[in-house]
Formats: sequence, C-alpha cells, structure tokens
Amino acid sequence: DQQVKQNSPSLSVQEGRISILNCDYTNSMFDYFLWYKKYPAEGPTFLISISSIKDKNEDGRFTVFLNKSAKHLSLHIVPSQPGDSAVYFCAANRDDKIIFGKGTRLHILP
Amino acid sequence: EAGVAQSPRYKIIEKRQSVAFWCNPISGHATLYWYQQILGQGPKLLIQFQNNGVVDDSQLPKDRFSAERLKGVDSTLKIQPAKLEDSAVYLCASRLNGAYEQYFGPGTRLTVT
Repeated sequence: DQQVKQNSPSLSVQEGRISILNCDYTNSMFDYFLWYKKYPAEGPTFLISISSIKDKNEDGRFTVFLNKSAKHLSLHIVPSQPGDSAVYFCAANRDDKIIFGKGTRLHILP
Repeated sequence: EAGVAQSPRYKIIEKRQSVAFWCNPISGHATLYWYQQILGQGPKLLIQFQNNGVVDDSQLPKDRFSAERLKGVDSTLKIQPAKLEDSAVYLCASRLNGAYEQYFGPGTRLTVT
C-alpha cells in the first residue's frame, strides 16, 4: 500500500527549461511534505519542503506546489541545470516519520 | 557543521553471516532513524530513536535485525544472520527536535552473496 506515489520513474528535460516532478499521496493526515535529491553513492539531501497549510513554497530555482484537495504536489525547477540531474524523492511526514515515494530520475539534456 | 557519519561505506558478506553498521548523527540531533533502501525504491524506515529510547521499531525484522543507541548519540544496526534479500543501502538520518527535515548520511551498501 503505497501512501506516496511518484508515477514517473524518469524524466528528461532540456537544460534551461522547466522541470516538473509530480507526486501523489493518499493519507490526508500528512502534515508536511518534503523533496529530497539523491546523487549516486550519496545519501538523500533535503531540498525544499511545504507545510500542509500552505499551497506554495519557493526557494531560488525550486518551487513546490501543494494541492490538498487533489492530494497532489509538484516540484518545479527553473531553469534546469546540468547539476540537477539526480533522483528526486517526494516524502510526506506524519508523527515525525517520513514516508518516501520511489523516486523520479531527472536527466538534464545539454 | 559536520553531517551524519556512517561506516563502513561498503560491505560484502555471505548469507548467514553477521554485519554491523555504525552511525554518528549531527551534533544536537536527538532523533535518529535507520532506513533500508532497496534498489529502485525509496528509503523504508526500520527504526526511530529519540535520545536513547526506541520510538518506533514496528518495521524492524526483529528475528534478525537489532539496533541500539546506548548513550543517545551514536547508533549501531546489526543483522544476524543475513539473508540475500538484505542486500540494500542502509541509511542513517537525524533530526533536530521541532524540525521536520531529516539529514541523511552517505549510507552503507550491503551485498549479501
């Protein structure tokens, strides 16, 4: 029973364009959502987060949007850069525990 | 600020052998987590500590896995005996009280042959 779903295993985007990574969740009790970025042979690195009472949070090139009625969130990266090529995990928090999606591998094309 | 430290980075063992992983969290982080990440999946929580007490170990296969955090700082995770399906990356993370973000170490890649 996957509570956090990332339905796109991979995504390719041209350098300089916008990357949009999507995530769906099923549990309405999640109170906080996070995005992590992972390079090979490294642990996940925290990227950006959003409280369930907000609908948008922006940090530089990264923006996370939350649609609670649809139980959907998305991460926008603009403009996309070569260093953004990585696996991105969507995660949701409840009771100080985080549940992760399976990840989306983002390829930034030159 | 030093990050979460883990060792070893890689370990290869035969099935039925035992193995131990070590984690040193970020200084001041009272909460520590161990995760298992199988290839192609997201990290899955095994156990959560608050200081030296266990908060949640419901996902820990207790017949073969054990973990401790005796002094509320470092932690060890042990597998005995290992099975082929234990091949995975074992990640340690820590969190500051009151914050949501968890900070991860580099992980230990375990291969059981």
